[in-house]
Amino acid sequence: QSALTQPASVSGSPGQSITISCTGTSSDVVGYNYVSWYQQHPGKAPKLMIYDVSNRPSGVSNRFSGSKSGNTASLTISGLQAEDEADYYCSSYTSSSTLVVFGGGTKLTVL
Amino acid sequence: EVQLLESGGGLVQPGGSLRLSCAASGFTFSSYAMSWVRQAPGKGLEWVSALSGSGGSTDYADSVKGRFSISRDNSKNTLYLQMNSLRAEDTAVYYCAKDQEVAAAGQFDYWGQGTLVTVSS
Repeated sequence: QSALTQPASVSGSPGQSITISCTGTSSDVVGYNYVSWYQQHPGKAPKLMIYDVSNRPSGVSNRFSGSKSGNTASLTISGLQAEDEADYYCSSYTSSSTLVVFGGGTKLTVL
Repeated sequence: EVQLLESGGGLVQPGGSLRLSCAASGFTFSSYAMSWVRQAPGKGLEWVSALSGSGGSTDYADSVKGRFSISRDNSKNTLYLQMNSLRAEDTAVYYCAKDQEVAAAGQFDYWGQGTLVTVSS
């Protein structure tokens, strides 16, 4: 079982907005702003989409945004496009015995 | 352009050893922490180990502690993962990942293409 909890799947139609949640604890999401989101297409390496809860790396579309409230971080994708269909993982720095924890991943389907 | 190129994966018997390498280019290697992250077939991401830019600070996942050892040669811009006492559950694609800071914070802005390690008799 993953340390961070994500829904297994979400879906949306082109042009719509979706939000993926990532629930943690006081040892990770609550206690630190080192929350990241990664996009992974089949057979490819993960790609950083959001870091420090809400910052976008250069080159990432502004359709992707991140936020955090209490023990839950969220990734919102607006104006869904077919190319957004992928697996998405959240991660957080943690004060537990392991440095980094990932969520179990969420499969986004664009209908 | 930042590039990370892993090598060293392959088929190994349970109890065996393997050393992975990650050749880095396009950035000042010694200025950033580096990590190994793995992904078992059909499964999610699992952080394995991290090493600070200077090489002075290491961290390991509980699942590999005592069996795996991370190191780096900043003169060769190369990261390593020595894997001993391998188990079937270590079977995965192993990714080399660059942290955004000199001290590991677990936010990876660049990833290699991965190298597959298969532990099987």
